[in-house]
Amino acid sequence: GQSLEQPSEVTAVEGAIVQINCTYQTSGFYGLSWYQQHDGGAPTFLSYNALDGLEETGRFSSFLSRSDSYGYLLLQELQMKDSASYFCAAPGSRGRRALTFGSGTRLQVQP
Amino acid sequence: DAGVIQSPRHEVTEMGQEVTLRCKPISGHNSLFWYRQTMMRGLELLIYFNNNVPIDDSGMPEDRFSAKMPNASFSTLKIQPSEPRDSAVYFCASSYFDSDYGYTFGSGTRLTVV
Repeated sequence: GQSLEQPSEVTAVEGAIVQINCTYQTSGFYGLSWYQQHDGGAPTFLSYNALDGLEETGRFSSFLSRSDSYGYLLLQELQMKDSASYFCAAPGSRGRRALTFGSGTRLQVQP
Repeated sequence: DAGVIQSPRHEVTEMGQEVTLRCKPISGHNSLFWYRQTMMRGLELLIYFNNNVPIDDSGMPEDRFSAKMPNASFSTLKIQPSEPRDSAVYFCASSYFDSDYGYTFGSGTRLTVV
């Protein structure tokens, strides 16, 4: 089987840094992706880690440790517009190109 | 590019009726995915196509669900007959087959079966 576990909710204040963790169990592993979804909107792609280490894209960074089956999304200089749900995703038993999504972490940014 | 285009945006139908959801992927993308999102079950992969060919439909919940991709620019997801438990947001997404897993999602169809 395949599963991705992430916290259901995280709250932080504007300007702060928040880390959203994801642990996974997959039959095969081809990398970890992150998506953002605002209420009423569609998921949008944020980042992808195929190899161990940190990938940085502006205020967002994503980290992967394949030996620990663990990754995280780091959001810096939080803004109100970052309030959204964040999903980790990975392919697995249904093919290398078919993503299974975690249940999502709802981030609430407070003033 | 206009992105992935789904229609309709909202659909309200009565139980037992046939529902057809439509998707136009991004031009040049050769993989297409149908997902369903509910509060209880999250984002579930229903079926996906590579080069218009269905690769895996193991996520299609029942025989009432069917999907087609007659050409590279169009796909449909049909539910016949519809039931209240089918109420959900249905997303279509597309990507290049060899991409770094960056799907582009459509805006979704919010289906309500009463």
